[in-house]
Amino acid sequence: AQTVTQSQPEMSVQEAETVTLSCTYDTSESDYYLFWYKQPPSRQMILVIRQEAYKQQNATENRFSVNFQKAAKSFSLKISDSQLGDAAMYFCASNSGGSNYKLTFGKGTLLTVNP
Amino acid sequence: DAGVIQSPRHEVTEMGQEVTLRCKPISGHDYLFWYRQTMMRGLELLIYFNNNVPIDDSGMPEDRFSAKMPNASFSTLKIQPSEPRDSAVYFCASRYGDSNTEAFFGQGTRLTVV
Repeated sequence: AQTVTQSQPEMSVQEAETVTLSCTYDTSESDYYLFWYKQPPSRQMILVIRQEAYKQQNATENRFSVNFQKAAKSFSLKISDSQLGDAAMYFCASNSGGSNYKLTFGKGTLLTVNP
Repeated sequence: DAGVIQSPRHEVTEMGQEVTLRCKPISGHDYLFWYRQTMMRGLELLIYFNNNVPIDDSGMPEDRFSAKMPNASFSTLKIQPSEPRDSAVYFCASRYGDSNTEAFFGQGTRLTVV
């Protein structure tokens, strides 16, 4: 079974600063994928970034990057140069390969960006 | 493509009534997921389909919940009878193929059972 844990229910950051959101996961699969989704007040779920577990290089998408520590089963999201539009709920998710294609989410971290 | 389309956006119903939520996945996607979002439990996977076949319904809370996917372009989630604790936002998502591809979500249905 997969589990995803986000230990920070809420975080805040000053505009233009950097913030890191934590995520740990547990899976028995050797082949899996990790994602960060953003949910703004509009309720729409938006993919921010993804990471294949077999890749050692950390994924980067513009101001968003991850710190993937496979041995520790940790997958944190770093947001650089935070903008007001980054304020949202952020969900970490894991999706196993093999015969199980479930996409399992953590409970989310509410990010506030202060001007 | 218009994305994943869910209807209705909002539903208010009385306890004991039947509720049907609808989802149209993105054309060509072969996986469809139903999630429930609440403050207490976050995003819970209720059931998912592959090529219209239910693969895992272990997240369905009880027999009052049922889901169908009669064809590749339509799925329903039914609650009968509804209870106040079913109040939540219900999301449908679809995905094409491999598990590293993005799952696209609908706008969700906010269900309130009074």
